[in-house]
Amino acid sequence: DTGVSQDPRHKITKRGQNVTFRCDPISEHNRLYWYRQTLGQGPEFLTYFQNEAQLEKSRLLSDRFSAERPKGSFSTLEIQRTEQGDSAMYLCASSPFRGQDTGELFFGEGSRLTVL
Amino acid sequence: GDSVTQMEGPVTLSEEAFLTINCTYTATGYPSLFWYVQYPGEGLQLLLKATKADDKGSNKGFEATYRKETTSFHLEKGSVQVSDSAVYFCALRGTGFQKLVFGTGTRLLVSP
Repeated sequence: DTGVSQDPRHKITKRGQNVTFRCDPISEHNRLYWYRQTLGQGPEFLTYFQNEAQLEKSRLLSDRFSAERPKGSFSTLEIQRTEQGDSAMYLCASSPFRGQDTGELFFGEGSRLTVL
Repeated sequence: GDSVTQMEGPVTLSEEAFLTINCTYTATGYPSLFWYVQYPGEGLQLLLKATKADDKGSNKGFEATYRKETTSFHLEKGSVQVSDSAVYFCALRGTGFQKLVFGTGTRLLVSP
């Protein structure tokens, strides 16, 4: 399967614990995005990378959230000291950049976080 | 800031009925507009897009026309099928930006 893959698909944790999600983009894509989606809402932008550089971060991304893409391939999203309000679906997407940006994002199936 | 407003669902239709899902946007400049679809148990996928005023995006029998004068990008299909049951998201990408701004989504339920 050459689509965007995310792991784990579902994480249940207790308030105050740290969690980390991993995203593997489509191999030739050099842009990678993280979104958060809560029930009944559309995806909200969190951050995006071009290769290993983090080029934009949303104000939604508090100090407890950190994202990395160390080698320009897979990315991790870590949430420290989780709160119940962090319960959501975390979506990863990727897109190619070959000088002609089509605007299309390719999404993974998401990682669902439940904070008890 | 940029935003997208789409009609609340669920929209419930019988097979072969005509579908319209309304979407309006607020943005400066000339955004690109998208419809994404999320089928049960799957990730979001692009359905169609339009990058400038009066462009019509189309795919799988769905169409949407970029109307700058009404800041709208309504999704239409002439005859829906049960397999079209999904959640549809309208989205925009502002000029000079990479991120997509999504609406809240509209669930479509099509019965046989």
